Amino acid sequence: EVQLVESGGGLVQPGGSLRLSCTASAFTFTSYDMHWVRQAAGKGLEWVAAIGTAGDTYYSGSVKGRFSISRENAKISLYLQMNSLRADDTAVYFCARKDYADAFDLWGQGTMVTVSS
Amino acid sequence: EIVMTQSPATLSVSPGERVTLSCRASQSVSSKLAWYQQKPGQAPRLLIFGASTRASGIPARFSGSGSGTEFTLTISSLQSEDFAVYYCQQYNNWPPITFGQGTRLEIK
Repeated sequence: EVQLVESGGGLVQPGGSLRLSCTASAFTFTSYDMHWVRQAAGKGLEWVAAIGTAGDTYYSGSVKGRFSISRENAKISLYLQMNSLRADDTAVYFCARKDYADAFDLWGQGTMVTVSS
Repeated sequence: EIVMTQSPATLSVSPGERVTLSCRASQSVSSKLAWYQQKPGQAPRLLIFGASTRASGIPARFSGSGSGTEFTLTISSLQSEDFAVYYCQQYNNWPPITFGQGTRLEIK
């Protein structure tokens, strides 16, 4: 089955770090740009970061310098290293595949990140 | 940053009705506009890309139109499973990719 599965969420104190993972199944991972999108409780969708097939990376202003996106094609996995976490980073984090038409055609189920003391 | 504004925030409608959701961009995004449906506790689902092309498996009652700064998503006859939150997204000028704040369709 074509799918994305996130893991690594949890409770972390302000200023702490967390690494999210997203594992792909049943498609050619190396052919797709990948993105992270987050959603705070009761709020809308917020784009976080992207990585291209060549490893080029892009970030939203709110996470630039604190978060790092990477991919490991041999493990068909996408990562989001989150440092200096703040309360307003609390959200469900989704990984998403960008298709040939540039829209997000495949999403994971999300992993919850809570930043609280 | 391109700001996407959706209206209305909430729409109360009855099953079987036709409904039109609006999305406006703060500057032209050409046709690089997608619509997503999200139900509680679920990931978003791609409905429309390129402003007007239905994604794979999306019923024909969903249609998108517009270009530049004004876009609409129309559901021709609402089914019970269509009550959800709908988001537009621009991917013409990024980073950042930006989403609208969403329109909630609720049962009247």
